[in-house]
Amino acid sequence: EVQLVESGGGWVQPGGSLRLSCAASGFTFSSYDMTWVRQAPGKGLEWVSYISGSSSTIYYADSVKGRFTISRDNAKNSLYLQMNSLRAEDTAVYYCARVLGRLVADHFDYWGQGTLVTVSS
Amino acid sequence: QSALTQPASVSGSPAQSITISCTGTSSDVGGYNLVSWYQQNPGKAPKLMIYEVSRRPSGVSNRFSGSKSGNTASLTISGLQAEDEADYYCCSYTGSSTYVFGPGTKVTVL
Repeated sequence: EVQLVESGGGWVQPGGSLRLSCAASGFTFSSYDMTWVRQAPGKGLEWVSYISGSSSTIYYADSVKGRFTISRDNAKNSLYLQMNSLRAEDTAVYYCARVLGRLVADHFDYWGQGTLVTVSS
Repeated sequence: QSALTQPASVSGSPAQSITISCTGTSSDVGGYNLVSWYQQNPGKAPKLMIYEVSRRPSGVSNRFSGSKSGNTASLTISGLQAEDEADYYCCSYTGSSTYVFGPGTKVTVL
């Protein structure tokens, strides 16, 4: 059974940093691209970042570019999101998800339960 | 990376059919047959319902179907049931492994 479990969320002051983790199990982690998607309280979903299985390809949404860094450790079946220079508008539940597609990685077939990040003074 | 457009809410009676639209541009919805739809219940993670415009993952009811015309994709729920009440989000591939979501549509079963 595919499982994705996020951790590392919490409260942080504006300008601070936080590192999220996503532990994967039930599939060959290194063979799949992964992504982070966030959801501000009471708001919709927002794509944040993508990483290919080999970490050779990485993309970010404009809203987090230069502040967030996505990475993975295939030996540990883990995905990470290093978040620096955090702002109040980064407050959200952060989900990791597996990316799938036949020709391109175009949809997210499994999601974790999410971890809440609160940025506030 | 502008968001897609969806109606804020759609409602229907049990057994009826409803359709949720998702409008983008030629750079996203219109440019790729790579629109997916997600169902989200309160406090829960999103669940994949449709991918590549009209494909259904195994385990998803065939009451859910997807289509696309030009820059607008649609999700149709046939034979509406109480358990279908949830938020629904469309998502489009926008090239180079980037993606954009719609704002979500709240489906209410009357």
